[in-house]
Amino acid sequence: EPEVTQTPSHQVTQMGQEVILRCVPISNHLYFYWYRQILGQKVEFLVSFYNNEISEKSEIFDDQFSVERPDGSNFTLKIRSTKLEDSAMYFCASSGEIYGYTFGSGTRLTVV
Amino acid sequence: AQSVTQPDIHITVSEGASLELRCNYSYGATPYLFWYVQSPGQGLQLLLKYFSGDTLVQGIKGFEAEFKRSQSSFNLRKPSVHWSDAAEYFCAVAQQTSGSRLTFGEGTQLTVNP
Repeated sequence: EPEVTQTPSHQVTQMGQEVILRCVPISNHLYFYWYRQILGQKVEFLVSFYNNEISEKSEIFDDQFSVERPDGSNFTLKIRSTKLEDSAMYFCASSGEIYGYTFGSGTRLTVV
Repeated sequence: AQSVTQPDIHITVSEGASLELRCNYSYGATPYLFWYVQSPGQGLQLLLKYFSGDTLVQGIKGFEAEFKRSQSSFNLRKPSVHWSDAAEYFCAVAQQTSGSRLTFGEGTQLTVNP
């Protein structure tokens, strides 16, 4: 069964540093997403991406965040100048024309 | 705006007992409905989903859920719980449109006693 692949599985970064989280969505999917889950809390929507542009973003997704599809296979989330409160599990997901989400296994980001 | 309520933060059941996890949603129309399970430190695994049609949906691991439009509910059930079912369970909804966001509930932590 096709999978969404996320790398790395765990990243530790210093406060103020930039991080890039990487995802390889399912190849024939058209919609790509990032979600965040702070430890012990619910999963929150960050952003959706379609046709090489952001289609929707939440209030969490401020200027600190950006997304990119640099080539035909990767989908990245960049967090500039990380803060302690950015520590969370970040999930990538993708879906096709017929609605059906597939989540990756997540990247645990720890900001120290 | 759509929202999801899972009234039970934590449920404890004995192994072999039946289980029902509650989920209520607030949305103008019938949304797509999902149940996900998450083990500690792990990703989200889809248990089942409802798009349309039969309101009783069968999923993996012996789970089922029933969509009740009149109650705006999508409760998850399992007739006999196994110790390996201990995990956090999330209900989620999405607009019936391709590419729409998922809105998750707060989750229900399930503990299974031997």
